[in-house]
Amino acid sequence: GQQLNQSPQSMFIQEGEDVSMNCTSSSIFNTWLWYKQDPGEGPVLLIALYKAGELTSNGRLTAQFGITRKDSFLNISASIPSDVGIYFCAGRYYGGSQGNLIFGKGTKLSVKP
Amino acid sequence: NAGVTQTPKFQVLKTGQSMTLQCAQDMNHNSMYWYRQDPGMGLRLIYYSASEGTTDKGEVPNGYNVSRLNKREFSLRLESAAPSQTSVYFCASTNRQGQNYGYTFGSGTRLTVV
Repeated sequence: GQQLNQSPQSMFIQEGEDVSMNCTSSSIFNTWLWYKQDPGEGPVLLIALYKAGELTSNGRLTAQFGITRKDSFLNISASIPSDVGIYFCAGRYYGGSQGNLIFGKGTKLSVKP
Repeated sequence: NAGVTQTPKFQVLKTGQSMTLQCAQDMNHNSMYWYRQDPGMGLRLIYYSASEGTTDKGEVPNGYNVSRLNKREFSLRLESAAPSQTSVYFCASTNRQGQNYGYTFGSGTRLTVV
């Protein structure tokens, strides 16, 4: 079935650094979503994107719907310790099974020792 | 608080035992989903219910059954638990209106099969 390639798989941050992650697909998507999962909790929606080229912010988080419709990016500016967690991209592609979301495997954000 | 409620939060089973994971949402959502999350595997869809009265298999349905009891509740049953079913299980729900909808997740059930 359709898969999303999310990278990087993991990264370490130091407080104050900017963070970037992305998600790519082989199919054209009509919706891109970014979720964050805190330890011991379920994923929580951060940003939703519905149009190619769309750029949306949520505080220090900014996400973009790629103009090719096959990718999306999430940037976190001036990271803080509470940014630690797993970030998932998710999308819906044309012709997908009943409109179900497809999820990436996640990017695990940890704090540098 | 409105949202998706899962019970139990933790469970340990012996191989071969059965159990039902419960999920309820109070947002009047039409569609509900069961996922499992394993390290490095992301979220994999087990079963879903697009609307009350319908259920469909997802990516990894083997060893599971589901029941959409009513619009609010969607349960997941393991008839004969196996160690490979050790995982964290998440229920999610959404309203399927056009293309613009995301999922709301519960806080998960952590299941260990020994």
